[in-house]
Amino acid sequence: GENVEQHPSTLSVQEGDSAVIKCTYSDSASNYFPWYKQELGKRPQLIIDIRSNVGEKKDQRIAVTLNKTAKHFSLHITETQPEDSAVYFCAASAGGTSYGKLTFGQGTILTVHP
Amino acid sequence: DVKVTQSSRYLVKRTGEKVFLECVQDMDHENMFWYRQDPGLGLRLIYFSYDVKMKEKGDIPEGYSVSREKKERFSLILESASTNQTSMYLCASRLGQGTRGYTFGSGTRLTVV
Repeated sequence: GENVEQHPSTLSVQEGDSAVIKCTYSDSASNYFPWYKQELGKRPQLIIDIRSNVGEKKDQRIAVTLNKTAKHFSLHITETQPEDSAVYFCAASAGGTSYGKLTFGQGTILTVHP
Repeated sequence: DVKVTQSSRYLVKRTGEKVFLECVQDMDHENMFWYRQDPGLGLRLIYFSYDVKMKEKGDIPEGYSVSREKKERFSLILESASTNQTSMYLCASRLGQGTRGYTFGSGTRLTVV
């Protein structure tokens, strides 16, 4: 089955800096890659996603890049703010017999210091 | 907005008890999922259901079962709770395969003593 590795496990930045979180996946059939943000005590929420026919996607201060050949994808947050502090999860899914279920990475605790 | 509601926010159960965790969604979603969340391990899939009365094992199904008698409700059952099942349990739903990511419930923090 699919295996998703996420790094780093913790990331500490100063407000205004950029933050990058990286994930690798094992199943070359995976074709959908969402990112979730989970604030303390709250449910994970989808913040951005990308499909395998696209190399990059941006939404204001966040962007995701995908390298299908290397089987890795990354989340980039620019001009970080204290409210970006949260746990971030990457995930991957394939279609077909896997029913598109998501396999998640281990999570990254991002702390943005004012 | 889709609502995914988990019946309990916190539960404390004794070892050996049968435990039911309930999840209800209100938007006619076909697919529903149960994950457990543990620090450093991320979210791991226990079971999922792609339609009513259908169920599939996830990555860590041992010690769990599920029931989906109605489209809106997906129940996770711990047949005989053990201390290693102490965890945060998250339910999620999705309109169908090929649609965008899940909508999660708020989670149930289960402690087995």
